[in-house]
Parts: sequence; C-alpha cells; structure tokens
Amino acid sequence: DIVMTQSPLSLTVTPGEPASISCRASQSLLHRNGYTYLDWYLQKPGQSPQLLIYLGSDRASGAPDRFRGSGSGTDFTLQISRVEAEDVGVYYCMQGLQSNTFGQGTKLEI
Amino acid sequence: QAQLVQSGAEVKRPGASVRVSCKASGYTFTSYYIHWVRQAPGQGLEWVGWINPKSGGVNYAQKFHGRVTVTRDTSINTVYMDLTSLTSDDTAIYHCARGTGTTEFDAWGQGTLVTVSS
Repeated sequence: DIVMTQSPLSLTVTPGEPASISCRASQSLLHRNGYTYLDWYLQKPGQSPQLLIYLGSDRASGAPDRFRGSGSGTDFTLQISRVEAEDVGVYYCMQGLQSNTFGQGTKLEI
Repeated sequence: QAQLVQSGAEVKRPGASVRVSCKASGYTFTSYYIHWVRQAPGQGLEWVGWINPKSGGVNYAQKFHGRVTVTRDTSINTVYMDLTSLTSDDTAIYHCARGTGTTEFDAWGQGTLVTVSS
C-alpha cells in the first residue's frame, strides 16, 4: 500500500498570513498516463470533507484561488496565500494511484 | 448539481452486519465512481472501497477484504455498502463520495453514523 505522510500535523496561523502543508508519498504518484494522482481535501468542523485540489495542482470548482497545490513524484505541498477564518479545519492529502489512501490530516487553527 | 443522500444512523451489536445506502441525483449516475470513506470518532479519513456504477466493478481496501461488499442499483441510482462481522472498531461515520475514477471526490454524502455496541 502507498503510505501518505503529512507535516505538520497541526498549524496555528494568523489571519492574512500564508500557510503551507506538506505531503509525502511512499512511492511516486505519477501514472503512465502523465497525470499525478494526488488530491487535497478540507474537512471543516462538523462537515463532510470538500475537494480543494485534484491531480496535484488543479483547483476544484468553487475552491478559492488562495489555495494552490504543487509538487511531483512523491513530494507535494498545499499553500494558502492568505489564511482566512473560514479555512479552519483538517486538511488531508489523498493518493488515487493504487486504490486510495489518505494522509493523517493537518489541523489548521487561527 | 450533484447530490448524494445517505441512509440514517444505525446501532448494531458486535458480530452483526450493517447496510448503508447512498442515493445519487443531479448527474448521470453511471458516469462517476462512488467511493466509501469512513471516519472513526476523533480520527482521520480512511478509504474503504469504490464501485464503478457502469460496470459494477469494485475495489476494496485490503483491510476490509472479505467483510465489505459494495453494490449498486442503477434503476434507482443508489449504491449500497454492506459491512459484516462488526466490532467496536467499526464505529464510525461512513461517507459516500463521487469520484472521477479514483480522484477528484467532488461531491460527498452527509455521512451515516454506525455505532457498534453491546
């Protein structure tokens, strides 16, 4: 199984400041079709998860443009350019190359 | 827009089985996979398995092999997840989610709490 490791596991950010979350896969997530099967999700308190980024760097419909996904192979980053109060929650990376597995989650607090 | 509506909360005894349903609307049912993801109390997300509603093909996480079965009824745009031999470790919220294959889970159900307790 592909193991996904996130860091940090918790993060406290001042509104208006940037934030960054890392995700490392135990093997490359590059498919032979050229796509990289790495998504980012945010689970706000008391809600179901919501999609932010898919295929490594494609922003989901409705996701604010302050969210940016980057990386390749085994190392990926989710960046928030200016954190807002509504960004509080737990962020997960997920690989979809071999079945699916999630990272442990990163809790973002203001 | 796409909507997934799940069945209500369940309370089961250890050793029992549970069925959770997920009814899709607002899109072509056979064009997207349906995944099941669970979350134990205070824990992270754990992928359970998927079904391709068009073909009926399935794939399950190794730890659930032999205990989970995902099926679909295309006449009513509904997917079912059956989990057998329940233990207290299966107490969790079970979510269904629509995926473009194994990526881009862009619509989620509201979650179904399954409680396993004697």
